[in-house]
Amino acid sequence: DAKTTQPPSMDCAEGRAANLPCNHSTISGNEYVYWYRQIHSQGPQYIIHGLKNNETNEMASLIITEDRKSSTLILPHATLRDTAVYYCIVRPYSGNTGKLIFGQGTTLQVKP
Amino acid sequence: GAGVSQSPSNKVTEKGKDVELRCDPISGHTALYWYRQSLGQGLEFLIYFQGNSAPDKSGLPSDRFSAERTGGSVSTLTIQRTQQEDSAVYLCASSLVSGLAGSGNEQFFGPGTRLTVL
Repeated sequence: DAKTTQPPSMDCAEGRAANLPCNHSTISGNEYVYWYRQIHSQGPQYIIHGLKNNETNEMASLIITEDRKSSTLILPHATLRDTAVYYCIVRPYSGNTGKLIFGQGTTLQVKP
Repeated sequence: GAGVSQSPSNKVTEKGKDVELRCDPISGHTALYWYRQSLGQGLEFLIYFQGNSAPDKSGLPSDRFSAERTGGSVSTLTIQRTQQEDSAVYLCASSLVSGLAGSGNEQFFGPGTRLTVL
């Protein structure tokens, strides 16, 4: 079972920031939070990951709470091409084979 | 550079036939994964290869499913005696490093093979 909880859907106006929440209250101390997205009819795409510090790259920012029980993915200026399903994944560590366990994700609809 | 490629992009087969799906990972990536995504469902892990280690087959749904990775590169997923419930998009991914949760471990996915079993 996925170890994360996300809202099933969200809307965002084009050009505005999209803030996608994720709860991972049972996260272990050495587990990372990963975000992937899947645009319709494509394979998933890696976005960003973090352990406890906030992270930023060219695609997004990741804000992790101090207790690490939740995080927020921020797309600073959403475009129509950001419409996708966004998956928040806590990386299994014990006996880690590297596999990703996907939940249902959040369907983000960016509207003009 | 070239990403993960999969072939065929679409496959239609009749119930009971065998099918082979191919994955070409990114050159130099040591880890290779197969997932599948059924209509309206999330992504489901199937199998994982890492170097010369024994593959993790824990996600294979039945013994009709098997996979191999030859020469540490190309992988083939075989489904024997296909059933209608096998209809799904089969996705392959590769990563540079595995077993480590930090940098360099992100997975790069191919476009998938859409399998339809009639």
